[in-house]
Amino acid sequence: DAKTTQPNSMESNEEEPVHLPCNHSTISGTDYIHWYRQLPSQGPEYVIHGLTSNVNNRMASLAIAEDRKSSTLILHRATLRDAAVYYCILGHNTDKLIFGTGTRLQVFP
Amino acid sequence: GAGVSQSPSNKVTEKGKDVELRCDPISGHTALYWYRQSLGQGLEFLIYFQGNSAPDKSGLPSDRFSAERTGGSVSTLTIQRTQQEDSAVYLCASSLRGLAMAGELFFGEGSRLTVL
Repeated sequence: DAKTTQPNSMESNEEEPVHLPCNHSTISGTDYIHWYRQLPSQGPEYVIHGLTSNVNNRMASLAIAEDRKSSTLILHRATLRDAAVYYCILGHNTDKLIFGTGTRLQVFP
Repeated sequence: GAGVSQSPSNKVTEKGKDVELRCDPISGHTALYWYRQSLGQGLEFLIYFQGNSAPDKSGLPSDRFSAERTGGSVSTLTIQRTQQEDSAVYLCASSLRGLAMAGELFFGEGSRLTVL
């Protein structure tokens, strides 16, 4: 399975934008890039996914590098509720998502 | 409710006992997944069901673990002769379509298993 690399932790202040990076240099042409997040004591929740083009939804934006070897999840205005572990995952040719250790985002008031 | 439902939410058992964990996926979702998460760790894939296809059991850690999905809906994860290292939160997720089609996974709240 293609692997992703994320920083262990990041910090942000409330109402500031947050850019969460993810490297996936061994991505294949058919891999989707998925982002999930896990708030404390909850199951993971879907954030966004994309294949080649940048994607926007109500939660976040996903910027995908032209060579697809990296991507960035953008939270436009962080809130305290955005404090969570963010997982960047490649949807490989199989149908299961293999979660890594993710990035723990702390948001300060 | 409309979400993925798991039961029990908490289960405390003695080492050596068998446990069953239940997952009710979102109605109409053909794909169902089991993961587990030990304290402070990431999610570990266990098993995946998609429609009538044979399940992907590649993540099951030992033959003490098994899962079935009856009628393409409810799933039960069974752990026989539980060990202390089985203590974890067991998470179930469902998806309208398989991830190869980039479907979104919806997770339940999990079943917290503690083996004494």
